[in-house]
Amino acid sequence: AQTVTQSQPEMSVQEAETVTLSCTYDTSENNYYLFWYKQPPSRQMILVIRQEAYKQQNATENRFSVNFQKAAKSFSLKISDSQLGDTAMYFCAFTQYNNNDMRFGAGTRLTVKP
Amino acid sequence: NAGVTQTPKFRVLKTGQSMTLLCAQDMNHEYMYWYRQDPGMGLRLIHYSVGEGTTAKGEVPDGYNVSRLKKQNFLLGLESAAPSQTSVYFCASTPRGPWGNQPQHFGDGTRLSIL
Repeated sequence: AQTVTQSQPEMSVQEAETVTLSCTYDTSENNYYLFWYKQPPSRQMILVIRQEAYKQQNATENRFSVNFQKAAKSFSLKISDSQLGDTAMYFCAFTQYNNNDMRFGAGTRLTVKP
Repeated sequence: NAGVTQTPKFRVLKTGQSMTLLCAQDMNHEYMYWYRQDPGMGLRLIHYSVGEGTTAKGEVPDGYNVSRLKKQNFLLGLESAAPSQTSVYFCASTPRGPWGNQPQHFGDGTRLSIL
């Protein structure tokens, strides 16, 4: 079974600085998708970024970018110019093509300090 | 545009009671999902549906039943609630599966406590 591991339960960063959240996953498949979701205190799950495994280029969305290392099965999220509104739980997630059972990591609680 | 709406937002049950959680989406999405979120864990898939009249089991289906009689609604039922089902429940929908280029839209969650 596919597993997703986030080894950092909690992290903090100063406002305007850069922080990287780690994620590793385990799969024997070749066609899959990786995601980072943000869950602020409001509890709403918000998609931050999506990566297709067959694309070598790392995905970026404004201040958010990923470092996708397929051979190492690593998928880290970099947040640049951190803002107070980035304070949230961040979940790494994985799904195979044509598989509805998306797997989530346990999450990293990120606090941005003023 | 309401998106995904979950009802109720909070509920306290006694062991052995039954209840139904309602998820409604107004985006005409084919795929709908029920997840649970427990402390220190990510979301885990309970059941899902790929269209009206269809349902399938996810990672943790035991103790739950679902129905999708109408395309816009996905119901999650607990026939005999147990303390182990205390959790926050999330519903999500998407036009295709989660692998598609349109993300899952999540509801705000239902906090369920079973005493």
